[in-house]
Amino acid sequence: DAGVIQSPRHEVTEMGQEVTLRCKPISGHNSLFWYRQTMMRGLELLIYFNNNVPIDDSGMPEDRFSAKMPNASFSTLKIQPSEPRDSAVYFCASSTRLALLTDTQYFGPGTRLTVL
Amino acid sequence: AQSVTQPDIHITVSEGASLELRCNYSYGATPYLFWYVQSPGQGLQLLLKYFSGDTLVQGIKGFEAEFKRSQSSFNLRKPSVHWSDAAEYFCAVVVKRNTPLVFGKGTRLSVIA
Repeated sequence: DAGVIQSPRHEVTEMGQEVTLRCKPISGHNSLFWYRQTMMRGLELLIYFNNNVPIDDSGMPEDRFSAKMPNASFSTLKIQPSEPRDSAVYFCASSTRLALLTDTQYFGPGTRLTVL
Repeated sequence: AQSVTQPDIHITVSEGASLELRCNYSYGATPYLFWYVQSPGQGLQLLLKYFSGDTLVQGIKGFEAEFKRSQSSFNLRKPSVHWSDAAEYFCAVVVKRNTPLVFGKGTRLSVIA
């Protein structure tokens, strides 16, 4: 298996633009997680899905952030409009079962977002 | 507030020396405990995890961790560090089985010759 795939790996955009980050989880995994990593705040959970359904989005910082999972093999995290403080590395992770959150999460390589 | 604390932001060790990275948690009950490693430019990879039973847990890449309930700690150890171990290390907990991982701020490990 190729592991969790994220695209793009790097994104540079200007303030006010829409940004869409993409994730393909490991085939057969039912749970998907979006994290944000910054120097100041460390690794933060933004939202997670189980069987394509959002379970908890309490970590999403503002209404400018939205996430979807239209099918089991694809998820997007969208920021509209983007702001410089959104600059961070965004990770996607997947695991086999949400019911047992102790299952190992497999992380993608991340998308480094820079908002100018 | 409940939290996961990694007291050391950055540690430098010589290649071949032993290593111990500290992790403390402040939850009342025994959580599920994890150590992840993040190599430069990469995502996180699970090193080991503790749920119950033997408090000394063996992981990949020669790492081990020991759960000490009395100290609310789950320190990561390696007897002999290799240059390839240079990375960021994250301790994480799951407090209850239906709640997500909570990560510490991480400890960056540098290895010198």
